[in-house]
Amino acid sequence: EPEVTQTPSHQVTQMGQEVILRCVPISNHLYFYWYRQILGQKVEFLVSFYNNEISEKSEIFDDQFSVERPDGSNFTLKIRSTKLEDSAMYFCASRLAGGTYEQYFGPGTRLTVT
Amino acid sequence: AQSVSQHNHHVILSEAASLELGCNYSYGGTVNLFWYVQYPGQHLQLLLKYFSGDPLVKGIKGFEAEFIKSKFSFNLRKPSVQWSDTAEYFCAAFNKFYFGSGTKLNVKP
Repeated sequence: EPEVTQTPSHQVTQMGQEVILRCVPISNHLYFYWYRQILGQKVEFLVSFYNNEISEKSEIFDDQFSVERPDGSNFTLKIRSTKLEDSAMYFCASRLAGGTYEQYFGPGTRLTVT
Repeated sequence: AQSVSQHNHHVILSEAASLELGCNYSYGGTVNLFWYVQYPGQHLQLLLKYFSGDPLVKGIKGFEAEFIKSKFSFNLRKPSVQWSDTAEYFCAAFNKFYFGSGTKLNVKP
């Protein structure tokens, strides 16, 4: 069964550094998402991406964040200058076009900012 | 504020006990509701979903949920839990990108 994959599984970075989290969505999916979950808190929506552009974003997704689909398979989340409070689990998800809204999630990348 | 809320944060049950986890949504319009499960160390997996039609939906592993529009609820149920059901359960509404805060279920053997 096709799966969403994410790399790396764990990333440790120093405050102020740039990080890129990578995701490979399911191949025939057209909508892509990033969520984050700070330890002990709820899963929060960051951004959705369709047709090579951001379709929706939350208040969390400020100028420090960007997303890109650099080729036909990868979907990346970049944090330009990481802060301590960016430490979280970041989940990528994808779904088919159409009205079902069912999203398929990757295993997550745990980002630790020191 | 519009959201999805889960009131049980941590539930501890013995094997064979019945389970009901609460989920309430607070928005109008089209309702598309989901329950996901996250087993320890694994990623989120879909348990079941509701879009329309029969308000009682059946999912994998013996789980079911009932959509009650008058109560704005979509509670998850299982008649008899197993130790392997120990996990965190999330209610979500993806047409609005709302996630509940999750309920940690611990089933004692």
